[in-house]
Amino acid sequence: DGGITQSPKYLFRKEGQNVTLSCEQNLNHDAMYWYRQDPGQGLRLIYYSQIVNDFQKGDIAEGYSVSREKKESFPLTVTSAQKNPTAFYLCASSNLGDRGRITNTGELFFGEGSRLTVL
Amino acid sequence: AQKITQTQPGMFVQEKEAVTLDCTYDTSDQSYGLFWYKQPSSGEMIFLIYQGSYDEQNATEGRYSLNFQKARKSANLVISASQLGDSAMYFCAIRQYQLIWGAGTKLIIKP
Repeated sequence: DGGITQSPKYLFRKEGQNVTLSCEQNLNHDAMYWYRQDPGQGLRLIYYSQIVNDFQKGDIAEGYSVSREKKESFPLTVTSAQKNPTAFYLCASSNLGDRGRITNTGELFFGEGSRLTVL
Repeated sequence: AQKITQTQPGMFVQEKEAVTLDCTYDTSDQSYGLFWYKQPSSGEMIFLIYQGSYDEQNATEGRYSLNFQKARKSANLVISASQLGDSAMYFCAIRQYQLIWGAGTKLIIKP
C-alpha cells in the first residue's frame, strides 16, 4: 500500500548525541516536510523539500539538518545543538501544483510519527 | 503573517450529538486554503476536509462539513452524529505556501 513510513516509532537519546529519524514515501510526491509537535501546540515546520537535492528551512530549523538525495527519502537529524529535542516528530508529503505550491486540495499525507525522548 | 486560533482546548460531547469545533484565522491574502485534520491517539494526522477561499459553497465530506464564514474569518468544523471513534485531537490549518496550524482541540465523545 502507498504511504509514508517513519522509523523508529520511539527513540531515546542521551544529551550530546545526534540522532536520525527516517522518513520514506512511495506516493511519488514531490514535496516532503518535517514537523515538530509539542503538547498543547500546533505543528511547527522544521524543514521542507520540494525537489531532490534541495530543501528549505522552516520556522524552527535550528539544531536540525536534513537531506534529500532521493525523491522517496527525507531523513531528519536532530543534532546536539538542539536544546530541547524531546518532542513528537511528524513527516509528511504532498503533490505540488504548477507554481510549486501545495495543490488546491492541499492534502498532506502523514507518517505515524516518531517520539524522541532525551534522557 | 497568517495565524490560526482554536479557542476550545477540549470538548466533551455525547455520542450521536452534533459537534462544532471553532477555528478563526487571520490573513491578508485573498487566496488561501483552510484544512481540518484529525489526530487519534496513534499519532498520525488524517486529512478531513478542505475549503478554498473562493469556494462559494461550504465543503462537505460525509459526516464532516465546514462552516465557512469568510467575512468573519471563521472556518468551523461540524461533525454530525458523533461516534466514539471521533474522539481525537482536531487541528485547523491555513495555507499559502505552507500550512500554519492551530493549537488543536481535544474532542472526547461520551457513550
